[in-house]
Amino acid sequence: DVKVTQSSRYLVKRTGEKVFLECVQDMDHENMFWYRQDPGLGLRLIYFSYDVKMKEKGDIPEGYSVSREKKERFSLILESASTNQTSMYLCASTPWAGFYEQYFGPGTRLTVT
Amino acid sequence: SQQGEEDPQALSIQEGENATMNCSYKTSINNLQWYRQNSGRGLVHLILIRSNEREKHSGRLRVTLDTSKKSSSLLITASRAADTASYFCATALIQGAQKLVFGQGTRLTINP
Repeated sequence: DVKVTQSSRYLVKRTGEKVFLECVQDMDHENMFWYRQDPGLGLRLIYFSYDVKMKEKGDIPEGYSVSREKKERFSLILESASTNQTSMYLCASTPWAGFYEQYFGPGTRLTVT
Repeated sequence: SQQGEEDPQALSIQEGENATMNCSYKTSINNLQWYRQNSGRGLVHLILIRSNEREKHSGRLRVTLDTSKKSSSLLITASRAADTASYFCATALIQGAQKLVFGQGTRLTINP
């Protein structure tokens, strides 16, 4: 079975801190994605990556950056956390083009105080 | 407005009944997918239907796609308490980046 893991289930950070969220997949998938999920807004794409060292902006990249140094790992970075970045963050991967079945991690609920 | 919009936003039925959720979208798609999310967890892929398909089945799930109306429906038959979850449709657009666009979801509650 495909396994996508995220570094933390729950995280509490202070405003202004630099935050790293990590995602690891164990199936040699080419494509990886970071979403945030907020009530009433569904899932919104932050960044995605088709290959190592490659990244593309999604729909809401402001305030975020990403890193993909190895194929299995895709990191989301909040350069200076703000309270409006309090959210559920979901990582996903797929071996095919990004519009096919995506495999999701369990999510990280981030609270910024 | 959203590319994919689910209707209703919330649905509560008795165990054993059928549950129907709808998804509407605005632009041409390559495929449409349905996902389930249990409370506070990641999403799980349920079924994918391509733009040239009209109906697809998987166990107790039946998905239909009407590209002329730009809509899809997910039917869960003989519902169980374990079906309680949020259900999301996701559309894969023909043009633009190869990514999915998710709707806001339908919260389904199955009452015992």
